[in-house]
Amino acid sequence: QTVVTQEPSLSVSPGGTVTLTCALNSGSVSTSYYPCWYQQTPGHPPRTLMYSTNSRSSGVPDRFSGSILGNKAALTITGAQADDESDYYCALYMSSGISLFGGGTKLTVL
Amino acid sequence: QVQLQESGPGLVTPSETLSLTCTVSGGSVSGGAYYWSWIRQPPGRGLEWIGYVYFTGGTNYNPSLKSRVTISLDTSKNEFSLKLNSVTAADTAVYYCARQRRSSVWFDPWGQGTLVTVSS
Repeated sequence: QTVVTQEPSLSVSPGGTVTLTCALNSGSVSTSYYPCWYQQTPGHPPRTLMYSTNSRSSGVPDRFSGSILGNKAALTITGAQADDESDYYCALYMSSGISLFGGGTKLTVL
Repeated sequence: QVQLQESGPGLVTPSETLSLTCTVSGGSVSGGAYYWSWIRQPPGRGLEWIGYVYFTGGTNYNPSLKSRVTISLDTSKNEFSLKLNSVTAADTAVYYCARQRRSSVWFDPWGQGTLVTVSS
């Protein structure tokens, strides 16, 4: 069974930089999986941050950036702000057409 | 601006069928650039993709749910639907509908979500 793994929780200081990652238990993540990143606050649907690895969705600040780091997809927040405190989910597109979400990362800004 | 809205019962009895509808406004479900998807999120847990329907009527489902799921499209009403049969308490979740860019995992926009509780 293919599983997408994210850090369960991370913390960052205001103004600091943090990188969230998205890994596959079956191998390396590449751009061929078209990784996307979503931000979710309690009681709201997810909001798209990044699609196709490193394309920022409309209205997303440029302190958010996406990349492939080694064998993982990555979301980097540079200059973290208090309202970045959220749950973050990555998603990968499998060759079978199936979509897989990671388990999510709870980001704390303190 | 495309908007999606889920509707359906908030309470379903165990072993029965969960049925939800997603009404699309501001755009057509008949376009070939998108899939029309369902995603769920159990309380306090992560997101799980359920499956999608394409404008041709073609579908693709999460293998873990495939035996119980049917997603269908009604182009005349510009809506799509989810049926999940033989539900248990483990199917209790917020159910979201979303537009999915074809051949990607770009879900946008999302509906607001609807909580479905499975309980007797």
